[in-house]
Amino acid sequence: SAVISQKPSRDICQRGTSLTIQCQVDSQVTMMFWYRQQPGQSLTLIATANQGSEATYESGFVIDKFPISRPNLTFSTLTVSNMSPEDSSIYLCSVGTSGSGETQYFGPGTRLLVL
Amino acid sequence: AQSVTQPDIHITVSEGASLELRCNYSYGATPYLFWYVQSPGQGLQLLLKYFSGDTLVQGIKGFEAEFKRSQSSFNLRKPSVHWSDAAEYFCAVGAKAAGNKLTFGGGTRVLVKP
Repeated sequence: SAVISQKPSRDICQRGTSLTIQCQVDSQVTMMFWYRQQPGQSLTLIATANQGSEATYESGFVIDKFPISRPNLTFSTLTVSNMSPEDSSIYLCSVGTSGSGETQYFGPGTRLLVL
Repeated sequence: AQSVTQPDIHITVSEGASLELRCNYSYGATPYLFWYVQSPGQGLQLLLKYFSGDTLVQGIKGFEAEFKRSQSSFNLRKPSVHWSDAAEYFCAVGAKAAGNKLTFGGGTRVLVKP
């Protein structure tokens, strides 16, 4: 499976600021996704990061709040904009490859605390 | 729309005892089914998956799961639990028709008693 890294691994931010999270994969992948895991909760899909085009957002998530870029097949960023304490979560990227079929592999996550 | 239910929020099991985690799903066609494990402070690790074929699938760390279409279930089992199995376990469903997006259950936290 692909090796996935995320930066930063954790951060503490002030409300009203923005944080950009990076997801890097060691090989080209066809699919990249961003998930949010609120404290003590399960994972919720934020969006599908599409290479060369705008991300596809799930209900309840908007581009102005969570802008996503995917400039190539190995890299994506998620920005959490104008943060509030409710944005305190773990943010995870996942990837799927043509070789893995529909299986998704997850990065280690970014732990965000907003004060 | 896809949905996944994990009825047990917490399970406590003694080391060496067997473990079964329940997962029920709702989807119109045969979905792709997954079990992931999340150890404290870690990301998600894939334990096993079911796409088609043999309904009993083997995974890593001695886990197995059985797909039962009639019950819409995909329960995870391990014959003998080790202390290192203490973690949160997530069942997930995906489908090609849904763009391979995953829907997760609420998770089951497993505690292992010595």
